[in-house]
Amino acid sequence: DGGITQSPKYLFRKEGQNVTLSCEQNLNHDAMYWYRQDPGQGLRLIYYSQIVNDFQKGDIAEGYSVSREKKESFPLTVTSAQKNPTAFYLCASSRTGTSGGRADTQYFGPGTRLTVL
Amino acid sequence: AQSVAQPEDQVNVAEGNPLTVKCTYSVSGNPYLFWYVQYPNRGLQFLLKYITGDNLVKGSYGFEAEFNKSQTSFHLKKPSALVSDSALYFCAVRDPDNNNDMRFGAGTRLTVKP
Repeated sequence: DGGITQSPKYLFRKEGQNVTLSCEQNLNHDAMYWYRQDPGQGLRLIYYSQIVNDFQKGDIAEGYSVSREKKESFPLTVTSAQKNPTAFYLCASSRTGTSGGRADTQYFGPGTRLTVL
Repeated sequence: AQSVAQPEDQVNVAEGNPLTVKCTYSVSGNPYLFWYVQYPNRGLQFLLKYITGDNLVKGSYGFEAEFNKSQTSFHLKKPSALVSDSALYFCAVRDPDNNNDMRFGAGTRLTVKP
């Protein structure tokens, strides 16, 4: 899992509640990503950030929000607008998100399993 | 848009036998291809990648992958499987025009039996 940490490992959410998932990296990477993993569906991109104070929506951004105030941190908030949030959430980072980084590897954190009660 | 397909949900092999996990891709332009492995309740671990050059790419834990442009395939292989190789394997392709757009296959569960 390299130098990427995610917390908590398990998270439980009640209906109508917002929750925030933490992602921190010490790899000095510019780019960070959030993916959602559901059984049999692979990974789907929620949000990504190429650089501090900038982020872009991925394929399934509805009901989620992010911030990128520091290079090493990219927290994900699952809002009450996300109707089916139960999933395994994975954070990743890569050296750069610009076109010069096409060959860069994305490295993943250990994940957070979110369950709606 | 680019995509990958992993045609087998499940692959079973006996320990000591060679293993192959299949992946085919679709992309406009030069492909950037990756293999990852995931153990239960863990993140994805990088195994290897193809960017350019030799079609046979060697990676971690004795795994290798063969890039075949004519068949648009990037199959993962290992000459002798271990029980500890049992895990979920993902193939991924990056959009050559958008470094942030990585598409993952649905995954193949590999089971190695003693």
